[in-house]
Amino acid sequence: DAKTTQPNSMESNEEEPVHLPCNHSTISGTDYIHWYRQLPSQGPEYVIHGLTSNVNNRMASLAIAEDRKSSTLILHRATLRDAAVYYCILWMDSSYKLIFGSGTRLLVRP
Amino acid sequence: DSGVTQTPKHLITATGQRVTLRCSPRSGDLSVYWYQQSLDQGLQFLIQYYNGEERAKGNILERFSAQQFPDLHSELNLSSLELGDSALYFCASSASGQGNYGYTFGSGTRLTVV
Repeated sequence: DAKTTQPNSMESNEEEPVHLPCNHSTISGTDYIHWYRQLPSQGPEYVIHGLTSNVNNRMASLAIAEDRKSSTLILHRATLRDAAVYYCILWMDSSYKLIFGSGTRLLVRP
Repeated sequence: DSGVTQTPKHLITATGQRVTLRCSPRSGDLSVYWYQQSLDQGLQFLIQYYNGEERAKGNILERFSAQQFPDLHSELNLSSLELGDSALYFCASSASGQGNYGYTFGSGTRLTVV
């Protein structure tokens, strides 16, 4: 299975931007990059996904490196409600699987 | 409300028993996925169905089985339950089963085996 590498934890101040990095050096040309987040005792929540181009939605932006070996999830203004575990996942065309890793635990300081 | 409905929310049962977890996908979604989350294992992919047919399998035990019905709801059957099966079980759905759509997760079923 293609793997992603994320920092175990990150901290941010409220109302400041947050950049969550993800490395996926074994990505294939048809693999999508997905981001989800999970609050305690809740199901994962879809954040954003992309293939090659940068993506924006109401929750966040996804910046994908030109060689696609890394990506960054950008939360433009962190709020306390953004404190969660963020998962960067590759959806692999070869296996139809979305495999979760250990994610990055984001702490937002008031 | 994500649009994915899982029932029951909580289930307590004894070792050796069998239970059925139910998932109704978001309206219009054809694909259903099952995940298991225990404290020491993180989110583990179990199985995927697309429009009634099994499409991908993960680390699903032989004691577990699943199916997707013509109305697209899915059931996960867990039998000969062991203490280690205690976990949160999440169902997710997506429109196509391809990576070009995001997954919508339900709120999960918490299974406790005593």
